[in-house]
Amino acid sequence: SYELTQPPSVSVSPGQTASITCSGDKLGNKYACWYQQRPGQSPVLVISQDSRRPSGIPERFSGSNSGNTATLTISGTQAMDEADYYCQAWDNNAGVFGGGTKLTVL
Amino acid sequence: EVQLLESGGGLAQPGGSLRLSCAASGFTFSSYATSWVRQAPGKGLEWVSRISGNGGGTYYADSVKGRFTISRDNSKNTLYLQMNSLRAEDTAVYYCAKMGGSGSFWYFDLWGRGTLVTVSS
Repeated sequence: SYELTQPPSVSVSPGQTASITCSGDKLGNKYACWYQQRPGQSPVLVISQDSRRPSGIPERFSGSNSGNTATLTISGTQAMDEADYYCQAWDNNAGVFGGGTKLTVL
Repeated sequence: EVQLLESGGGLAQPGGSLRLSCAASGFTFSSYATSWVRQAPGKGLEWVSRISGNGGGTYYADSVKGRFTISRDNSKNTLYLQMNSLRAEDTAVYYCAKMGGSGSFWYFDLWGRGTLVTVSS
């Protein structure tokens, strides 16, 4: 079955740029999405179709996808961005999530 | 208000059954595919199943295939998940999620608050 791999944790200082990667075999040939989940809350879509930001998502969130790696980039990271982030793609009609990355802003 | 509201969670014994419901409001429910996604305590997200807007197409994760059945009643704006032969590893918060996009770029653009299912003797 298809697998997506994320680093368990990423740390960033306030105002700096955070990058979270998601690796999968030929992931660049699929579309990747990203979800933010704050503690005790439901996930929220922050990036769809590799790089599209839904309405209401701040411009500091951006995404890319090429080769075997999709990347979520948060520019000018704020304390409110501290959360778990999950990448997701589809393979043979099955949804696949990465294991999640805990972003710490310190 | 656009929202999804899950219900039906609770405690079930191993080998038992539960039926989850998800009531949709604020959008044309029948126009959108919908999925169930679960999250075991302290763990990551796991896609469980999805159904097309008209109910004609259903897909399942290997971990639940043959045990879970997804369905919908568009006249009631409600999504269901019938869970049979429950196992301890099915313990999780179950979210319903509205799907946007199409074909190869489906995404989950609206999530409910989730309902907790605990499988234990």
